[in-house]
Amino acid sequence: DAKTTQPTSMDCAEGRAANLPCNHSTISGNEYVYWYRQIHSQGPQYIIHGLKNNETNEMASLIITEDRKSSTLILPHATLRDTAVYYCIFSASGAGSYQLTFGKGTKLSVIP
Amino acid sequence: DAGVTQSPTHLIKTRGQQVTLRCSPKSGHDTVSWYQQALGQGPQFIFQYYEEEERQRGNFPDRFSGHQFPNYSSELNVNALLLGDSALYLCASSLTLRDTEFFGPGTRLTVL
Repeated sequence: DAKTTQPTSMDCAEGRAANLPCNHSTISGNEYVYWYRQIHSQGPQYIIHGLKNNETNEMASLIITEDRKSSTLILPHATLRDTAVYYCIFSASGAGSYQLTFGKGTKLSVIP
Repeated sequence: DAGVTQSPTHLIKTRGQQVTLRCSPKSGHDTVSWYQQALGQGPQFIFQYYEEEERQRGNFPDRFSGHQFPNYSSELNVNALLLGDSALYLCASSLTLRDTEFFGPGTRLTVL
Protein backbone atom coordinates (compact mmCIF):
# COMPACT_ATOMS: atom_id res chain seq x y z
CA ASP A 1 0.00 0.00 0.00
CA ALA A 2 1.10 3.54 -0.69
CA LYS A 3 1.41 5.00 2.84
CA THR A 4 2.04 8.48 4.10
CA THR A 5 2.53 9.70 7.66
CA GLN A 6 0.96 12.96 8.81
CA PRO A 7 0.34 14.53 12.23
CA THR A 8 -3.19 13.87 13.45
CA SER A 9 -3.94 17.52 14.14
CA MET A 10 -2.42 21.01 14.05
CA ASP A 11 -3.46 24.50 15.06
CA CYS A 12 -2.58 27.70 13.24
CA ALA A 13 -3.34 31.33 14.08
CA GLU A 14 -5.38 33.19 11.50
CA GLY A 15 -3.15 35.20 9.15
CA ARG A 16 -0.07 33.12 9.88
CA ALA A 17 1.48 30.52 7.58
CA ALA A 18 0.32 26.95 8.08
CA ASN A 19 3.04 24.36 7.45
CA LEU A 20 1.71 20.81 7.12
CA PRO A 21 4.35 18.05 7.01
CA CYS A 22 4.10 14.64 5.37
CA ASN A 23 6.45 11.67 5.28
CA HIS A 24 6.34 9.35 2.26
CA SER A 25 9.53 7.32 2.48
CA THR A 26 8.27 4.52 0.17
CA ILE A 27 7.41 6.78 -2.76
CA SER A 28 8.71 5.61 -6.14
CA GLY A 29 10.59 7.79 -8.57
CA ASN A 30 7.69 8.33 -10.94
CA GLU A 31 4.96 8.90 -8.34
CA TYR A 32 3.60 12.37 -7.69
CA VAL A 33 2.79 13.74 -4.24
CA TYR A 34 -0.78 15.09 -4.12
CA TRP A 35 -2.42 17.25 -1.49
CA TYR A 36 -6.18 17.45 -1.04
CA ARG A 37 -8.30 18.94 1.70
CA GLN A 38 -11.77 18.10 2.90
CA ILE A 39 -14.06 20.49 4.67
CA HIS A 40 -16.61 18.74 6.85
CA SER A 41 -18.71 16.25 4.86
CA GLN A 42 -17.84 17.78 1.49
CA GLY A 43 -15.88 16.10 -1.30
CA PRO A 44 -12.08 16.41 -1.16
CA GLN A 45 -10.72 19.52 -2.88
CA TYR A 46 -7.54 19.28 -4.94
CA ILE A 47 -4.83 21.69 -3.74
CA ILE A 48 -1.52 20.98 -5.45
CA HIS A 49 0.79 18.20 -6.60
CA GLY A 50 4.46 17.79 -7.47
CA LEU A 51 7.13 15.30 -8.48
CA LYS A 52 10.56 16.66 -7.60
CA ASN A 53 10.55 20.43 -7.76
CA ASN A 54 8.80 22.82 -5.43
CA GLU A 55 5.44 23.98 -6.73
CA THR A 56 3.25 27.02 -6.09
CA ASN A 57 -0.25 27.92 -7.15
CA GLU A 58 -2.93 30.34 -6.00
CA MET A 59 -3.83 28.15 -3.03
CA ALA A 60 -0.56 26.89 -1.61
CA SER A 61 3.11 26.00 -1.99
CA LEU A 62 4.55 22.50 -1.95
CA ILE A 63 8.10 21.88 -0.79
CA ILE A 64 9.50 18.41 -1.58
CA THR A 65 12.81 17.30 -0.08
CA GLU A 66 15.61 16.33 -2.43
CA ASP A 67 15.36 12.64 -1.50
CA ARG A 68 11.56 12.89 -2.01
CA LYS A 69 10.90 11.13 1.28
CA SER A 70 8.95 14.02 2.73
CA SER A 71 7.11 17.17 1.77
CA THR A 72 5.49 20.24 3.35
CA LEU A 73 2.34 21.99 2.26
CA ILE A 74 2.39 25.71 3.02
CA LEU A 75 -0.72 27.87 3.24
CA PRO A 76 0.89 31.33 3.33
CA HIS A 77 -1.85 33.26 5.14
CA ALA A 78 -4.30 30.89 6.80
CA THR A 79 -7.93 31.97 7.13
CA LEU A 80 -10.79 30.43 9.08
CA ARG A 81 -12.01 28.90 5.79
CA ASP A 82 -8.81 26.82 5.65
CA THR A 83 -9.98 24.76 8.64
CA ALA A 84 -10.22 21.25 7.15
CA VAL A 85 -8.64 17.79 7.04
CA TYR A 86 -5.58 17.85 4.78
CA TYR A 87 -4.53 14.66 2.99
CA CYS A 88 -1.07 13.96 1.62
CA ILE A 89 -1.23 11.16 -0.95
CA PHE A 90 0.81 9.49 -3.60
CA SER A 91 -0.54 7.18 -6.25
CA ALA A 92 -0.13 3.43 -6.19
CA SER A 93 0.85 2.66 -9.76
CA GLY A 94 -0.82 -0.12 -11.63
CA ALA A 95 -0.68 -1.32 -15.19
CA GLY A 96 -2.28 1.49 -17.17
CA SER A 97 -4.07 3.04 -14.21
CA TYR A 98 -3.55 4.20 -10.65
CA GLN A 99 -5.46 4.80 -7.47
CA LEU A 100 -5.18 7.35 -4.69
CA THR A 101 -4.64 5.85 -1.25
CA PHE A 102 -5.84 8.20 1.48
CA GLY A 103 -4.75 8.01 5.12
CA LYS A 104 -6.49 9.83 7.96
CA GLY A 105 -4.89 13.18 7.15
CA THR A 106 -4.13 16.16 9.37
CA LYS A 107 -6.98 18.09 10.91
CA LEU A 108 -5.95 21.75 10.66
CA SER A 109 -7.76 24.17 12.92
CA VAL A 110 -7.26 27.86 12.13
CA ILE A 111 -7.81 29.90 15.28
CA PRO A 112 -8.98 33.55 15.29
CA ASP B 1 -18.10 24.93 -16.28
CA ALA B 2 -19.81 22.32 -14.12
CA GLY B 3 -17.64 20.26 -11.88
CA VAL B 4 -18.29 16.67 -10.88
CA THR B 5 -21.93 16.13 -9.95
CA GLN B 6 -23.45 13.26 -7.99
CA SER B 7 -27.00 12.14 -7.27
CA PRO B 8 -28.76 11.71 -5.01
CA THR B 9 -27.33 13.84 -2.20
CA HIS B 10 -28.68 11.61 0.54
CA LEU B 11 -30.20 8.14 0.55
CA ILE B 12 -31.64 5.87 3.22
CA LYS B 13 -31.95 2.12 2.59
CA THR B 14 -32.54 -0.97 4.68
CA ARG B 15 -30.33 -4.03 4.99
CA GLY B 16 -30.54 -6.40 2.02
CA GLN B 17 -31.69 -3.75 -0.43
CA GLN B 18 -29.84 -2.62 -3.53
CA VAL B 19 -28.75 0.94 -4.35
CA THR B 20 -27.54 2.82 -7.44
CA LEU B 21 -25.55 6.02 -7.20
CA ARG B 22 -24.83 8.27 -10.16
CA CYS B 23 -21.97 10.50 -11.22
CA SER B 24 -21.39 12.95 -14.05
CA PRO B 25 -17.72 13.82 -14.59
CA LYS B 26 -16.27 17.26 -15.03
CA SER B 27 -16.57 18.52 -18.60
CA GLY B 28 -13.84 17.03 -20.79
CA HIS B 29 -12.97 14.24 -18.35
CA ASP B 30 -13.19 10.61 -19.48
CA THR B 31 -12.10 8.70 -16.36
CA VAL B 32 -14.22 8.14 -13.28
CA SER B 33 -13.24 6.66 -9.91
CA TRP B 34 -15.42 5.80 -6.93
CA TYR B 35 -14.43 6.00 -3.27
CA GLN B 36 -16.12 5.06 0.00
CA GLN B 37 -15.55 7.21 3.08
CA ALA B 38 -16.67 5.89 6.44
CA LEU B 39 -17.12 8.33 9.30
CA GLY B 40 -13.78 9.56 10.62
CA GLN B 41 -11.75 7.80 7.93
CA GLY B 42 -10.11 8.85 4.69
CA PRO B 43 -11.71 7.87 1.37
CA GLN B 44 -11.05 4.30 0.26
CA PHE B 45 -10.72 3.48 -3.44
CA ILE B 46 -13.43 1.20 -4.84
CA PHE B 47 -12.76 1.12 -8.59
CA GLN B 48 -11.93 3.21 -11.65
CA TYR B 49 -13.58 3.28 -15.08
CA TYR B 50 -12.06 4.31 -18.38
CA GLU B 51 -13.41 3.62 -21.88
CA GLU B 52 -16.41 1.92 -20.27
CA GLU B 53 -14.23 -0.72 -18.61
CA GLU B 54 -13.20 -1.27 -15.01
CA ARG B 55 -9.45 -0.59 -15.01
CA GLN B 56 -8.47 -0.89 -11.37
CA ARG B 57 -10.26 -2.21 -8.31
CA GLY B 58 -9.69 -1.76 -4.61
CA ASN B 59 -10.36 -4.28 -1.86
CA PHE B 60 -14.14 -4.34 -2.09
CA PRO B 61 -16.44 -7.38 -2.52
CA ASP B 62 -18.32 -8.21 -5.69
CA ARG B 63 -21.45 -6.69 -4.17
CA PHE B 64 -19.96 -3.42 -5.39
CA SER B 65 -20.21 -3.05 -9.15
CA GLY B 66 -20.16 -0.20 -11.58
CA HIS B 67 -20.74 0.95 -15.07
CA GLN B 68 -19.53 3.74 -17.32
CA PHE B 69 -21.66 5.03 -20.17
CA PRO B 70 -20.53 6.33 -23.58
CA ASN B 71 -20.97 9.92 -22.32
CA TYR B 72 -18.47 9.08 -19.53
CA SER B 73 -21.03 9.26 -16.74
CA SER B 74 -20.96 6.40 -14.26
CA GLU B 75 -23.04 4.41 -11.81
CA LEU B 76 -22.08 2.61 -8.63
CA ASN B 77 -24.30 -0.30 -7.63
CA VAL B 78 -24.26 -2.00 -4.25
CA ASN B 79 -26.26 -5.19 -3.71
CA ALA B 80 -27.36 -6.85 -0.48
CA LEU B 81 -26.66 -3.76 1.61
CA LEU B 82 -25.07 -4.19 5.03
CA LEU B 83 -25.09 -1.76 7.94
CA GLY B 84 -21.35 -1.29 7.34
CA ASP B 85 -22.03 0.11 3.87
CA SER B 86 -23.25 3.33 5.47
CA ALA B 87 -20.79 5.95 4.27
CA LEU B 88 -20.16 8.94 2.05
CA TYR B 89 -19.66 7.72 -1.52
CA LEU B 90 -17.43 9.96 -3.58
CA CYS B 91 -17.00 10.12 -7.31
CA ALA B 92 -13.87 11.63 -8.85
CA SER B 93 -13.08 12.35 -12.48
CA SER B 94 -9.86 13.03 -14.34
CA LEU B 95 -8.84 14.15 -17.79
CA THR B 96 -7.53 10.66 -18.44
CA LEU B 97 -5.89 7.79 -16.60
CA ARG B 98 -3.11 8.84 -14.19
CA ASP B 99 -4.21 12.48 -14.23
CA THR B 100 -5.27 14.68 -11.30
CA GLU B 101 -8.64 13.64 -9.87
CA PHE B 102 -11.37 16.12 -8.98
CA PHE B 103 -14.06 15.03 -6.55
CA GLY B 104 -17.79 15.54 -6.44
CA PRO B 105 -19.75 16.47 -3.31
CA GLY B 106 -20.62 12.85 -2.53
CA THR B 107 -23.74 10.83 -1.77
CA ARG B 108 -24.46 10.09 1.89
CA LEU B 109 -25.84 6.54 2.16
CA THR B 110 -27.42 5.38 5.39
CA VAL B 111 -28.31 1.70 5.79
CA LEU B 112 -30.78 0.90 8.58
